[in-house]
Amino acid sequence: NAGVTQTPKFQVLKTGQSMTLQCAQDMNHNSMYWYRQDPGMGLRLIYYSASEGTTDKGEVPNGYNVSRLNKREFSLRLESAAPSQTSVYFCASSVETGSGELFFGEGSRLTVL
Amino acid sequence: GENVEQHPSTLSVQEGDSAVIKCTYSDSASNYFPWYKQELGKRPQLIIDIRSNVGEKKDQRIAVTLNKTAKHFSLHITETQPEDSAVYFCASTPGTASKLTFGTGTRLQVTL
Repeated sequence: NAGVTQTPKFQVLKTGQSMTLQCAQDMNHNSMYWYRQDPGMGLRLIYYSASEGTTDKGEVPNGYNVSRLNKREFSLRLESAAPSQTSVYFCASSVETGSGELFFGEGSRLTVL
Repeated sequence: GENVEQHPSTLSVQEGDSAVIKCTYSDSASNYFPWYKQELGKRPQLIIDIRSNVGEKKDQRIAVTLNKTAKHFSLHITETQPEDSAVYFCASTPGTASKLTFGTGTRLQVTL
């Protein structure tokens, strides 16, 4: 049982480049999330998907787009990367939004030069 | 939206002592309060949670208390061990269909 799998684990980008972070869960969860983690800032929600076919903005959505491809997969895209987007990104899933445990992926460390 | 404040940001205790981390929340409708532990370089993992119909919950050396009137909740770790060294995050949510809001984290260091 893999849980939540996200790729890539590490990525270095130049300012202005684009990239997509991939996330998949095999727990049949309805809700999926993308967080970013910066020193002293905790975990801040970028976007979430309460169920297949829906997506909503979190606290810090600017500069990002998401796609809930199907129930298993939720991707995060940076169209034009900026140094301020240097962070560790975590994908997570839960049975439903707002109740119960969040299961996190291992994280993706992104550096934008 | 919900605002969660967490204190202290860093906490150092000697092995065997107790550690207490406190959080306050702003939305009086919040009814679910989990705590996550993140070891260095690892993913956050749930260690304990409490719902608003309960004032206290214990699981071995960890406990969480909730005061809905004051809108604060706390994590208590007794008989701390070196493996308790990690960053701890509190969180809260008004419930189903509402997203979780995290505190900024507490780095706990347990010294020998």
